[in-house]
Amino acid sequence: DIQMTQSPSSLSASVGDRVTITCRASQSVSRHLNWYQQRPGKTPKLLIYGASSLHGGVPSRFSGSGSGTDFTLTISSLQPEDFATYYCQHSATTPQTFGQGTRVEIK
Amino acid sequence: QVQLQESGPGLVKPSGTLSLTCAVSGGSISSNKWWNWVRQSPGKGLEWIGEIYHNGNSNYNPSLKSRVTISVDKSKNQFSLNLSSVTAADTAVYFCASGFLYYDSSRGGFDIWGQGTMVTVSS
Repeated sequence: DIQMTQSPSSLSASVGDRVTITCRASQSVSRHLNWYQQRPGKTPKLLIYGASSLHGGVPSRFSGSGSGTDFTLTISSLQPEDFATYYCQHSATTPQTFGQGTRVEIK
Repeated sequence: QVQLQESGPGLVKPSGTLSLTCAVSGGSISSNKWWNWVRQSPGKGLEWIGEIYHNGNSNYNPSLKSRVTISVDKSKNQFSLNLSSVTAADTAVYFCASGFLYYDSSRGGFDIWGQGTMVTVSS
């Protein structure tokens, strides 16, 4: 299985901050990398697919980059509704696996 | 727009079989999508269980493969999950989700999720 490792596991930030979350795959997944946001008690929401394509309806402050094994999710200006847990997931092979999550908390 | 809704027992006895159904509304299960099951243990992360295409082709997580069956019922526009020989470790929120395809049939992630259903394994 391809292991997905996110860093940091959690972070504290303020509204308006630029936030960067990293995801590393144990082997190349090309650009088959997706990002999700999960607010407490809610279902995951797809933000980014194909490493850098913004899913429909997702605000443009979210962006993704990377290829191969190293990927980044960036929130350019953190908003109150962005405090949540973020997961990366590869869809390159079976099994598709998720990172352990990065919790973004209010500073 | 497409919506997904899970249904099934919330309590399953150890060594029993967990059976869930995901009803697809607002769209056809015969569309060009993979239909997935994902679970999330309390306070834990996400685990992909498996997927099925409307023609019956399926893929499973090797860690669960010996116990999992996913099937599709096009006449009812739904797909189902059976997980046998369950233990307390299978206690989780189970989600159904659609996986879309783009470009050269690359998998684009899970764009639509059901609300999730909590399944507890306990005697």
